[in-house]
Amino acid sequence: LAKTTQPISMDSYEGQEVNITCSHNNIATNDYITWYQQFPSQGPRFIIQGYKTKVTNEVASLFIPADRKSSTLSLPRVSLSDTAVYYCLVGGSGNTGKLIFGQGTTLQVKP
Amino acid sequence: DAGVIQSPRHEVTEMGQEVTLRCKPISGHNSLFWYRQTMMRGLELLIYFNNNVPIDDSGMPEDRFSAKMPNASFSTLKIQPSEPRDSAVYFCASSTGQGLDSPLHFGNGTRLTVT
Repeated sequence: LAKTTQPISMDSYEGQEVNITCSHNNIATNDYITWYQQFPSQGPRFIIQGYKTKVTNEVASLFIPADRKSSTLSLPRVSLSDTAVYYCLVGGSGNTGKLIFGQGTTLQVKP
Repeated sequence: DAGVIQSPRHEVTEMGQEVTLRCKPISGHNSLFWYRQTMMRGLELLIYFNNNVPIDDSGMPEDRFSAKMPNASFSTLKIQPSEPRDSAVYFCASSTGQGLDSPLHFGNGTRLTVT
């Protein structure tokens, strides 16, 4: 699996847009980029997944440059309830299922 | 969709006792994963099944840990005998695929405390 690097922590204020960038320099051709969110005392929750360019859903947007060596999760107008740990994972359908979670990015949203 | 259901939610046991954690995956999902989460080590993949067959158990810490999936709707993770260092939150997840092209759906975990 491609190794990922993301900031350990980030702070933001309510109403701001938050961008969390993940580096994955050795991403393979058939790898997808997937982001999960985890609140305290809960399991991780799927946020968004993409392969290239831009993907948007009701929760977030995912920006992937042409070389796919990084990706940026964008959370529009965060609220206090967006305080959580965000994980970036990279891998493809050809993997044998070894979904490895790194340390993630702890996002703290302040009032 | 009831989601992935894990039981019990909390388990407190004494060192040396057997512990059994249970998981009911989402109906129709053919892959099931067991993870362990601690502050020190983060989320660790212990084992995963595809179509009820164990595919990779290289993350299982040692022989004290065993996992079974007798049918598509039920899996267990057993620790015998338990030790204090097994204290962690154990998550079960299911998906429709094997790789990272299929999102994982996690349960709310079982918090295990071994005293």
